[in-house]
Amino acid sequence: KNQVEQSPQSLIILEGKNCTLQCNYTVSPFSNLRWYKQDTGRGPVSLTIMTFSENTKSNGRYTATLDADTKQSSLHITASQLSDSASYICVVSANDYKLSFGAGTTVTVRA
Amino acid sequence: GAGVSQSPRYKVAKRGQDVALRCDPISGHVSLFWYQQALGQGPEFLTYFQNEAQLDKSGLPSDRFFAERPEGSVSTLKIQRTQQEDSAVYLCASEAGASDTQYFGPGTRLTVL
Repeated sequence: KNQVEQSPQSLIILEGKNCTLQCNYTVSPFSNLRWYKQDTGRGPVSLTIMTFSENTKSNGRYTATLDADTKQSSLHITASQLSDSASYICVVSANDYKLSFGAGTTVTVRA
Repeated sequence: GAGVSQSPRYKVAKRGQDVALRCDPISGHVSLFWYQQALGQGPEFLTYFQNEAQLDKSGLPSDRFFAERPEGSVSTLKIQRTQQEDSAVYLCASEAGASDTQYFGPGTRLTVL
């Protein structure tokens, strides 16, 4: 069973609207949680990294939250743009180097 | 270079052939990772190098998979006697230090016929 579960599997939103992606994890111990954006045919690109003590981090129009008690994270995209169409992957690290990846949420932004 | 590069970008192999995939990490990055990504899935860890030392190879699916990084920079992932289930995108990532941002290459899409 995957230790990182993401929902929804995919979503479609209109340009300019907001959306929130969810991530639940069971990875333990916990070192940090990362959100990556992966465009089709490309490698993932880091958006945010949060440690246990951080509960929110922003990168432009992307805001990630973390609740280490409930082992949940969310990624909020504000005022979506067509270029936000991609797969968003939640990644949890138990130690310094080994990452557990979720299957990703595919976001499609339509004009 | 400015980022992580991988070659070839696409590789088609006949079942039973050997393949070698190359990764050029960001200059000076100590850590290097290989991942396997199946269609519609997140990447799965294969192996991890710190400089030239392979510290973790627990994710390699079989002894047909072999990775090396002899001089602590460029790395090669070799797959011997390829099987259809080896078809996937192979991603390489490098990292300046522990728990730092991992920078991914574009991947090599391997198709085994």
